[in-house]
Amino acid sequence: EVQLVESGGGLVQPGGSLRLSCAASGFSFNSYVMSWVRQTPGKGLEWVSSITGSGETTFYADSVKGRFTISRDNSKDTLDLLMSSLRGDDTAIYYCAQEAGTYTSWGQGTLVTVSS
Amino acid sequence: EIVLTQSPATLSLSPGERATLSCRATQSVSNYLAWYQQKPGQAPRLLIYDASNRATGIPARFSGSGSGADFTLTISSLEPEDFAVYYCQQRANWPRYTFGQGTKLEI
Repeated sequence: EVQLVESGGGLVQPGGSLRLSCAASGFSFNSYVMSWVRQTPGKGLEWVSSITGSGETTFYADSVKGRFTISRDNSKDTLDLLMSSLRGDDTAIYYCAQEAGTYTSWGQGTLVTVSS
Repeated sequence: EIVLTQSPATLSLSPGERATLSCRATQSVSNYLAWYQQKPGQAPRLLIYDASNRATGIPARFSGSGSGADFTLTISSLEPEDFAVYYCQQRANWPRYTFGQGTKLEI
């Protein structure tokens, strides 16, 4: 059974940084593109970033490019999202998702709140 | 960016009734359209992929149809556990997937 467990969310001040992690199990982690998707009441579900199975290629939404960095450790089956220069509109639930043509499995999400 | 518009925003029905949810794209996405169900406090769950294929473990009362820019999710006979929010999502523009704004299915 695929399991994705996010951690690292919390309250951070504007301009601050936060690292989210996602621990994966139940599948061959390095064979899958992995993504971060966030959800807010106002903007709904929004793709944030993706990384190929090898970790060689990364992609970012325009809204986070230059501020967020996605990475993975295939020896530990973990996915990370380093978020910096955080803004109020980054406040959201962040989900990691396994991608197999579409988002086939999701974690339970971790809440990030950017506020002073 | 491919924008997906779902209708209606809210659908009020009773158990046993048939539900029809719509998703329209601003350009053709071929059949690269998925549907998700989300219940309060939970992550989205994949129901349908590539317009008409049920994901593993999804009951047969859920079906998807359409191609190009117009898609439909049908729930043939609503069960109490089906009342939730439903989202469509396109994967035609990898990896810049986009989602619709959701349809709330309420009793």
